[in-house]
Amino acid sequence: GAVVSQHPSWVICKSGTSVKIECRSLDFQATTMFWYRQFPKQSLMLMATSNEGSKATYEQGVEKDKFLINHASLTLSTLTVTSAHPEDSSFYICSARAGSGETQYFGPGTRLLVL
Amino acid sequence: GQNIDQPTEMTATEGAIVQINCTYQTSGFNGLFWYQQHAGEAPTFLSYNVLDGLEEKGRFSSFLSRSKGYSYLLLKELQMKDSASYLCAVRGLSNQTGANNLFFGTGTRLTVIP
Repeated sequence: GAVVSQHPSWVICKSGTSVKIECRSLDFQATTMFWYRQFPKQSLMLMATSNEGSKATYEQGVEKDKFLINHASLTLSTLTVTSAHPEDSSFYICSARAGSGETQYFGPGTRLLVL
Repeated sequence: GQNIDQPTEMTATEGAIVQINCTYQTSGFNGLFWYQQHAGEAPTFLSYNVLDGLEEKGRFSSFLSRSKGYSYLLLKELQMKDSASYLCAVRGLSNQTGANNLFFGTGTRLTVIP
């Protein structure tokens, strides 16, 4: 299957700092990328959808000013958690697909721990 | 809204067959996916159904009935490494954005015992 990478895989930061997570599609052009969040023993919750060159669209309850998403190219999207707090500690997973009817492939995830 | 239901946990014996069910009610339907997720890792794609019927891929098969809003994942000849969470996901329309997105059930944690 297609390959999606994420960096970093682990982040530990102090409360109040900002954290940037990168998501790259390595062997295909991703017209759409998705950001999910998963708390322990819960399912993936979609946070936002981004199309290359457009502003991200956020799901209800997700603060767009706190979770900044940039999809500058067909192979890269970034999620920045601004002024992180302990309740933001979670597993953040990105996903990418080539077209609207295509399969979504997932990155390996980034585990964020805010102290 | 989106509502996807799966059993929370299942246990099965090595070498046996197990069926994991999924029922869904979503805004729009454009396909159903099954993913496998090991603890602490991202989901990996297993199967995709968009038409009614059975899709077979090696030891894994997935079935879909759109009229019943029902799918199952069938795992044969279970191996210890199959112990994982299995996520049912439906591609439907986001109420918030109107876009075609993937929505996940809570996942079924499968434990394979010797």
